[in-house]
Amino acid sequence: QQQVKQSPQSLIVQKGGISIINCAYENTAFDYFPWYQQFPGKGPALLIAIRPDVSEKKEGRFTISFNKSAKQFSLHIMDSQPGDSATYFCAASMNTGFQKLVFGTGTRLLVSP
Amino acid sequence: GAVVSQHPSWVICKSGTSVKIECRSLDFQATTMFWYRQFPKQSLMLMATSNEGSKATYEQGVEKDKFLINHASLTLSTLTVTSAHPEDSSFYICSAAPGTVIETQYFGPGTRLLVL
Repeated sequence: QQQVKQSPQSLIVQKGGISIINCAYENTAFDYFPWYQQFPGKGPALLIAIRPDVSEKKEGRFTISFNKSAKQFSLHIMDSQPGDSATYFCAASMNTGFQKLVFGTGTRLLVSP
Repeated sequence: GAVVSQHPSWVICKSGTSVKIECRSLDFQATTMFWYRQFPKQSLMLMATSNEGSKATYEQGVEKDKFLINHASLTLSTLTVTSAHPEDSSFYICSAAPGTVIETQYFGPGTRLLVL
């Protein structure tokens, strides 16, 4: 119940295309859903995050869509660029205790020029 | 703002030795710090959570006598891998959460440990 399932494992998108990464969770106590971007040999960097009281959040080319009833959320990268090539992790946490993050398994995105 | 540093960025050591990794929040006070471990092409696995001035809380399966965590101040936490073995080779990443609203964690750049 603590797992966050992420798909696909890897993704190749042409420059200018839309990258879509999906995550699903079981624990309805989760109330914070961030996405992280990680480049090789670096720590993850927060990209965008959402709470369950909204269905969509957009920041620049990055959009989170959230479906509370389906317990799913996704990251859309519009106009994907080669510089977006990285590993993306979804995560979830609940507002109790130390708010530990539970990470998805990661998606390796490659944006071809 | 919200910069977290780690030192060293990489370390190679002999089997049986101990290695200390530092995690610092450079421009904010971190009430809580987290230590993660990441194997190649895998996700981040939380090892422990530490609060300044108190003992760390370890995740199930993490040996607290092997991975010693000290949260000495609001800007510094250290992870010591004691009697390191080749299977401890991994990428260790810390994160820091400012104040009491800790849903936002800022991650350090990671430390790559290779035990020979």
